[in-house]
Amino acid sequence: AQTVTQSQPEMSVQEAETVTLSCTYDTSENNYYLFWYKQPPSRQMILVIRQEAYKQQNATENRFSVNFQKAAKSFSLKISDSQLGDTAMYFCAFMKRSGNTPLVFGKGTRLSVIA
Amino acid sequence: SAVISQKPSRDICQRGTSLTIQCQVDSQVTMMFWYRQQPGQSLTLIATANQGSEATYESGFVIDKFPISRPNLTFSTLTVSNMSPEDSSIYLCSATEGAANEKLFFGSGTQLSVL
Repeated sequence: AQTVTQSQPEMSVQEAETVTLSCTYDTSENNYYLFWYKQPPSRQMILVIRQEAYKQQNATENRFSVNFQKAAKSFSLKISDSQLGDTAMYFCAFMKRSGNTPLVFGKGTRLSVIA
Repeated sequence: SAVISQKPSRDICQRGTSLTIQCQVDSQVTMMFWYRQQPGQSLTLIATANQGSEATYESGFVIDKFPISRPNLTFSTLTVSNMSPEDSSIYLCSATEGAANEKLFFGSGTQLSVL
C-alpha cells in the first residue's frame, strides 16, 4: 500500500517571500503520478501541479515548482512570490499510473500568507 | 476538461435521517470515487463507484451505511444513511478519465452537518 506523509501541519510565509512544503511517500510502484492540491475555504480541490514519475525534469507552473527526488521518495512544493490568495490547505497526493486507482492523500499543510 | 456538478453543496440534517449526494459529470469518465473529509482532516477514500455493479468499499466503510449508485458513465450518488453527528464531514466525489488516469476532477464538495 502507498502512504503519503506531510510533516508540516502548519506553515506561514510573508507576502512576496518563498515557501517550501514537504512531502514524502512510500511505494513499491515504478510508474505513478504525484500531485499537489490546494483547498481554500470554498472546499474546492484545485490542482496546483502534477509530476509524472518517469520524468526526471521537475514540473513547474508559474510560481509553483516541485523538487522531485525519486530515489529519496520526496516531492516538495515551492511557492515563489507568495500571494495572499495562496492561503489554503495543501495536500500532497499519490496515484498509480495505471489500473484506475484513486488518489492517496497526505494529511495536509495549512499555509498562511501574511501581509 | 470535465466538470463535475455536486449537490447539495451543504445540508444540515437530523440524527437518524439519510442524505443522498449527487455528482453529475459533463462527459463520460472512466472511474468515479467518493471521499470523506472530516473536520480539519485529509481526504479518506470511501469507495470506488463502479458503473453497472456494486461499489468497492474501503476498510471501515460498508454498503449499508454508504450505499452508492453509478447507473451510467456520467452520474453517481452517495447516500449517508441513519446519520449521527460523527458523520458530519465534507463529502467529495472525483472522477478520472484518460487511458492512464492522467485527468482527474473533483466536485465542489458537500458540507454535511448532523445535529
